[in-house]
Amino acid sequence: AQTVTQSQPEMSVQEAETVTLSCTYDTSESDYYLFWYKQPPSRQMILVIRQEAYKQQNATENRFSVNFQKAAKSFSLKISDSQLGDAAMYFCAYSGAGSYQLTFGKGTKLSVIP
Amino acid sequence: GAGVSQTPSNKVTEKGKYVELRCDPISGHTALYWYRQSLGQGPEFLIYFQGTGAADDSGLPNDRFFAVRPEGSVSTLKIQRTERGDSAVYLCASSLYGGPNTEAFFGQGTRLTVV
Repeated sequence: AQTVTQSQPEMSVQEAETVTLSCTYDTSESDYYLFWYKQPPSRQMILVIRQEAYKQQNATENRFSVNFQKAAKSFSLKISDSQLGDAAMYFCAYSGAGSYQLTFGKGTKLSVIP
Repeated sequence: GAGVSQTPSNKVTEKGKYVELRCDPISGHTALYWYRQSLGQGPEFLIYFQGTGAADDSGLPNDRFFAVRPEGSVSTLKIQRTERGDSAVYLCASSLYGGPNTEAFFGQGTRLTVV
């Protein structure tokens, strides 16, 4: 079974600074997708960024980028120029290419300090 | 609608009672998912619908849990003989097609508390 591990229960960052959230995963599949979701207090999960394992290039979405290390099974999220609205729970998630399930980590609570 | 709508937003029920949680997906989305998020945990997969049929119900924890989507749109998650361990946020998501290469949009969940 696939597992997703987020080793940082809480992180904080100064406004306008950069922060990196860590995620590792375990799988025997060769083709899969990795995701970062944001969950604010409203409880709604919002997709931040998605990476396809067969693509070597790291995904980027505006201030959000990932460092995907396939051999190390590592998938970290970098948030640049942090804003107060970035404060939330962040979840790393995995899905096999032929699967319809997302497997989530336990999450990292990000605080942004003004 | 503009997004995935879940009702009620919060539900308190007594142990042993029956509850129904409703999900209205984005119009036109064929795929619908239910997840359960316990306190301090990430969401856990319960069931996936493609159209009207449950294509994958491997995440349902036991036979007290059941879900339907009779017309391929609205879905209802039904829990019989509720237990205190069922207390969690139940999240619904929909996507245009099934699978990880189409974005899943989540609702705001129903917080179920069993007392």
